[in-house]
Amino acid sequence: AQKITQTQPGMFVQEKEAVTLDCTYDTSDPSYGLFWYKQPSSGEMIFLIYQGSYDQQNATEGRYSLNFQKARKSANLVISASQLGDSAMYFCAMREGSGGSNYKLTFGKGTLLTVNP
Amino acid sequence: DSGVTQTPKHLITATGQRVTLRCSPRSGDLSVYWYQQSLDQGLQFLIQYYNGEERAKGNILERFSAQQFPDLHSELNLSSLELGDSALYFCASSGGGEYSYNSPLHFGNGTRLTVT
Repeated sequence: AQKITQTQPGMFVQEKEAVTLDCTYDTSDPSYGLFWYKQPSSGEMIFLIYQGSYDQQNATEGRYSLNFQKARKSANLVISASQLGDSAMYFCAMREGSGGSNYKLTFGKGTLLTVNP
Repeated sequence: DSGVTQTPKHLITATGQRVTLRCSPRSGDLSVYWYQQSLDQGLQFLIQYYNGEERAKGNILERFSAQQFPDLHSELNLSSLELGDSALYFCASSGGGEYSYNSPLHFGNGTRLTVT
């Protein structure tokens, strides 16, 4: 079974608008971390934001926020006031705390975001 | 800048050849991970080292091997290369201790390998 599911292969948003990128995860481990990464066309992987399974509040980092709904096992990324430079592939990822997966980061297939002027 | 350095940036080689990819982790990070990114397979975990010792293996082929040296830099060796090995290879490092799950992985810029 897929541990990380990103159901939107591609998304379009107008500049200055907000956009939500969906991510659902599957784990039986009570301790885990959820991460979002951005990969521009140049190829590098840029860490954006982290949410821990025990965190009571949704994580925020500048224009990025994470809509964490634990019961639904979802961790959607919200980008506010989109900019042209936000056009990139976005990956949701998870690390599980039990060590069964040896703490590796498991990635979803990604969502390609295009910001239109 | 993530602080993780990977060399070379690009590598073009022929089938059957052997190459070595090099990675220097962020200062202070003891864990190094190698990932392969291809269009059809996405981001695949290959192998992890912690402070010089192998900790986990993922979808790493027997033709591939890696090691982490005492100075914590790591090398990924790919041998008997095939066309299908063409991909972007990432090294990543993380801090927070051996059993930390809440530290992000910081990625290098990757090595783009093209096998012709």
